[in-house]
Amino acid sequence: AQKVTQAQTEISVVEKEDVTLDCVYETRDTTYYLFWYKQPPSGELVFLIRRNSFDEQNEISGRYSWNFQKSTSSFNFTITASQVVDSAVYFCALSDDNTGKLIFGQGTTLQVKP
Amino acid sequence: NAGVTQTPKFRILKIGQSMTLQCTQDMNHNYMYWYRQDPGMGLKLIYYSVGAGITDKGEVPNGYNVSRSTTEDFPLRLELAAPSQTSVYFCASSYGGTSGFTDTQYFGPGTRLTVL
Repeated sequence: AQKVTQAQTEISVVEKEDVTLDCVYETRDTTYYLFWYKQPPSGELVFLIRRNSFDEQNEISGRYSWNFQKSTSSFNFTITASQVVDSAVYFCALSDDNTGKLIFGQGTTLQVKP
Repeated sequence: NAGVTQTPKFRILKIGQSMTLQCTQDMNHNYMYWYRQDPGMGLKLIYYSVGAGITDKGEVPNGYNVSRSTTEDFPLRLELAAPSQTSVYFCASSYGGTSGFTDTQYFGPGTRLTVL
């Protein structure tokens, strides 16, 4: 069965610290896509990144970076020099091409303190 | 572009009442989805649609109905509301195309529903 696990329920850091959010997934598909979404306190879901299973290059976007390792079925997300505005729940998700659904992890609540 | 819009933002229903959650997207996306998010959890798929006139059940369809008469609109109907349907409901859309279901889904702001 397909599954996404975000083992870290809550993380608290002080502003300017680096923080890594872990995501481990399970799938039998050879081709799949992974996503990260941010849910700030206001409640909406904001798309951050989409990565396909054939592209294992790390990606960097400003203070955000993603490390995809197929060998360990992980797709970790790092925020460098965290800011208070980064406080949110972050979801990792796996696409299911057969059913159309996104399989979400439980989410990691990140609190960045000033 | 407004993206994906949902109305209402909040609603309180009594047990047994019915209501329709509205969802509209202006991105000319083919695929649309309804999810529910229970407290402290990720999202679960209720229904989805790959185009006007085509809908299918997701993971948790019981107690809900959908229709898709236009590309833009994908309303979700709750019949005989129950306390178990208290949740936050998100509508999402994606282009689809050659990427099919793996295309990025963009979400609306959500509707917070309480059934008492």
